[in-house]
Amino acid sequence: DIVMTQSPGSLSVSLGERATINCKSSQSVLYTSNNKNYLAWYQQKPGQPPKLLIYWASTRESGVPDRFSGSGSGTDFTLTISSLQAEDVAVYYCQQYYGPPPYTFGQGTKLEI
Amino acid sequence: QVQLVESGGGVVQPGRSLRLSCEASGFTFSTSVLHWVRQAPGKGPEWVAIISHDATKTTYADSVKGRFTISRDNSKNMLYLQMYSLRADDTAVYFCARDKCTGAGCSFFDYWGQGALVTVSS
Repeated sequence: DIVMTQSPGSLSVSLGERATINCKSSQSVLYTSNNKNYLAWYQQKPGQPPKLLIYWASTRESGVPDRFSGSGSGTDFTLTISSLQAEDVAVYYCQQYYGPPPYTFGQGTKLEI
Repeated sequence: QVQLVESGGGVVQPGRSLRLSCEASGFTFSTSVLHWVRQAPGKGPEWVAIISHDATKTTYADSVKGRFTISRDNSKNMLYLQMYSLRADDTAVYFCARDKCTGAGCSFFDYWGQGALVTVSS
């Protein structure tokens, strides 16, 4: 199975500052035939299901503010929030969907202000 | 709007069975690939199972293989998870989730239900 490791486990950032969350996969999730990285990012607030933010490592889901961006390739990925807002306080997860199953998640990064 | 609503959760003794249901609305159910994902208290999500749009193909996580069965009824817009031989480590919130991609699916999730809590305890 592909193991996803996120860092840091928790992060405290001031309002308006940049937040950076890292995700490393135990093997490459880059499918060379289509040059796509099979990596998604989710945001989860207490008592809610995860919400899709980013897929294909850098494609923003419809309706997600453009302060959220994803980057990276192969085994190393980053979620960046360019200017932290109060509503961004949440736990963030990366997930690989490079087949075959299982599709695995990171352990989460708790973002606080 | 897309809605997924789980039901059937509860407290069950180890070794017993439980069936979760997920009622879908607001999208074309019969062309959608669907998943169950669970989340134990204080942990990250864990993918559990996938079912193709026409129910001809299913795949399971090793942790539930042989004990859980995913199924669907496209005439009723319903997804199910039949769980047998439940163990304490199956305790989690179980989410149904829609695959972002149609066809063969991509296996990341654009819509999630609110979840159903399953507690396995004697």
